[in-house]
Amino acid sequence: QVTLKESGPGILQPSQTLSLTCTFSGFSLSTYGMGVGWIRQPSGKGLEWLANIWWDDDKYYNPSLKNRLTISKDTSNNQAFLKITNVDTADTATYYCARIDNSGYRYFDYWGQGVMVTVSS
Amino acid sequence: VQMTQSPSYLAASPGESVSISCKASKSISNNLAWYQEKPGKANKLLIHSGSTLQSGTPSRFSGSGSGTDFTLTIRSLESEDFAVYYCQQYNEYPPTFGSGTKLEIK
Repeated sequence: QVTLKESGPGILQPSQTLSLTCTFSGFSLSTYGMGVGWIRQPSGKGLEWLANIWWDDDKYYNPSLKNRLTISKDTSNNQAFLKITNVDTADTATYYCARIDNSGYRYFDYWGQGVMVTVSS
Repeated sequence: VQMTQSPSYLAASPGESVSISCKASKSISNNLAWYQEKPGKANKLLIHSGSTLQSGTPSRFSGSGSGTDFTLTIRSLESEDFAVYYCQQYNEYPPTFGSGTKLEIK
């Protein structure tokens, strides 16, 4: 059974760095072709893809935020991480992590329930 | 690739059929997925590759289209189908999503 669960600080101040953790089970990020992505959704708005990390540590970022994003993984502990630097109120959103299976196609077949993050002074 | 989804809101009764459109700003072949969003639940992948039902997706759901125009159809709506639906293209980076369609009970 594949599960993913996001965790984060809940609230942080503008200019701080947001650190998010995705803890997953039921698959391994060391398996050929597997990946994990991060997606966010401001309240009442649509979904925005942020970054993907792959089994071979290949990484892709949304160009609109690329300079502020860092994605990483800890394969032995079944975790993926996302850092967003210099946050602003516009980064207030629910953040999701999701699995990309090893079919060779980049859709997200399992999602976590999301973690709400508020940026406020 | 910009994804234009319509309508943004749809009201229907159980037993009815509905269709949701998703148009890509350029050809994405059949690299399109549909997701269902419900409060308090993880987003669910319904369809990938334009028309392939993900394991566990009821057969009343169907997807069609290729290139730039795609449709999600739900036949014989059941109460559990009232939710928000998103399309997503994964043909090229960055993956992009439609703006969503909220399906409500009439």
